[in-house]
Amino acid sequence: QVQLVQSGAEVKEPGASVKLSCKASGYTFTGYYMHWVRQAPGQGLEWMGWINPNSGGTDCAQKFQGWVTMTRDTSITTVYMEVSRLQYDDTAVYYCARRGSSQLNYYAMDVWGQGTTVTVSS
Amino acid sequence: QSALAQPASVSGSPGQSITISCTGTSSDVGGYNYVSWYQQHPGKAPKLMIYDVSNRPSGVSNRFSGSKSGNTASLTISGLQAEDEADYYCSSYTSTPSWVFGGGTKLTVL
Repeated sequence: QVQLVQSGAEVKEPGASVKLSCKASGYTFTGYYMHWVRQAPGQGLEWMGWINPNSGGTDCAQKFQGWVTMTRDTSITTVYMEVSRLQYDDTAVYYCARRGSSQLNYYAMDVWGQGTTVTVSS
Repeated sequence: QSALAQPASVSGSPGQSITISCTGTSSDVGGYNYVSWYQQHPGKAPKLMIYDVSNRPSGVSNRFSGSKSGNTASLTISGLQAEDEADYYCSSYTSTPSWVFGGGTKLTVL
């Protein structure tokens, strides 16, 4: 079945970087873009950006430009997101979510990972 | 990009219908038929319930329906059940281009 499995929880100090992973299975990895979405404790969802696993092309929300890097490794069907210069308000659950297919739900996020909790604490 | 506006909470009794609104601008909700709705139970990942304003993915109950008028989209849940109690988020594609979510609505089934 289609599945996204994310890496485990992380605790980082302010100013550090964190690299999160999201392993896809059950579908053609290069056929679907991948979004990243985060959710601060008790807060709503916030779209961060996407990566095209086929070309490696990326785009992200303006507020994350310059300190969020998205990459992929097609050999192991995994996408990554690195967040640098972590601040306390980056404490959140980070989700990867597959963009829908071009024939069906292209502007929706149809499959989600289980989330990775990142805690920024000194 | 400002978050889409949703009511913080709604409630209803089992069997009733409720509607959750999602208000944006002509640069997002009003400009595209690309509004999605997600259900999130506590401690769980969001689940896609509606895409492209009014389409249900396979496996989603037909008690869930979506619509849009101008800059406001709506999610209606009919025949409320206890399992529907969750947070609901709308999302829209935008002209930036980017995606934007609503602030979320907590649904309580009384």
